[in-house]
Amino acid sequence: DTAVSQTPKYLVTQMGNDKSIKCEQNLGHDTMYWYKQDSKKFLKIMFSYNNKELIINETVPNRFSPKSPDKAHLNLHINSLELGDSAVYFCASSQATADESEKLFFGSGTQLSVL
Amino acid sequence: GQNIDQPTEMTATEGAIVQINCTYQTSGFNGLFWYQQHAGEAPTFLSYNVLDGLEEKGRFSSFLSRSKGYSYLLLKELQMKDSASYLCALYNFNKFYFGSGTKLNVKP
Repeated sequence: DTAVSQTPKYLVTQMGNDKSIKCEQNLGHDTMYWYKQDSKKFLKIMFSYNNKELIINETVPNRFSPKSPDKAHLNLHINSLELGDSAVYFCASSQATADESEKLFFGSGTQLSVL
Repeated sequence: GQNIDQPTEMTATEGAIVQINCTYQTSGFNGLFWYQQHAGEAPTFLSYNVLDGLEEKGRFSSFLSRSKGYSYLLLKELQMKDSASYLCALYNFNKFYFGSGTKLNVKP
């Protein structure tokens, strides 16, 4: 009964390949996110979707394409992987209200290593 | 950007009290959150401040002063399991802006 689940947990691949990370939440939240955490542990937002609609795209390269088939799922596809894409990618969800329930629930993360 | 600053690393002793500071420069935000992240795991929610003042949750308290651009997380009766990174985050219009986190080492 995991709240936010993402797969795979580890992803090791060669430069130039295309890969996808899947995310699902069973919390009934309207908003889902993708965050990237680099080697310095800095968490930076990449995308945000609200009810399947893209609402935030933080100047992420076009090689990254999120897809939200429904509000419970937000997948991330990455084309032509580069060495600099190596990081931990976290999916998260929240219920967008003006109080504490805005808090993010994170998936367990996907450690991507590009060789 | 929000220019959120936190100390990189701190060390404290089991049973002690530690205060982790967070300063920021921004014109406005909805709320300030603190998250805990153990090594290799996902961040988890600790506390939330929207108004100035202290919010207490068991051994953890968080303080906010909007006029001073300052927040802190106070951890009391430190336990070894509190060794983790603590992330300060500002929330504004569906965006969370995270600081780089403070790694807390709790020693016996």
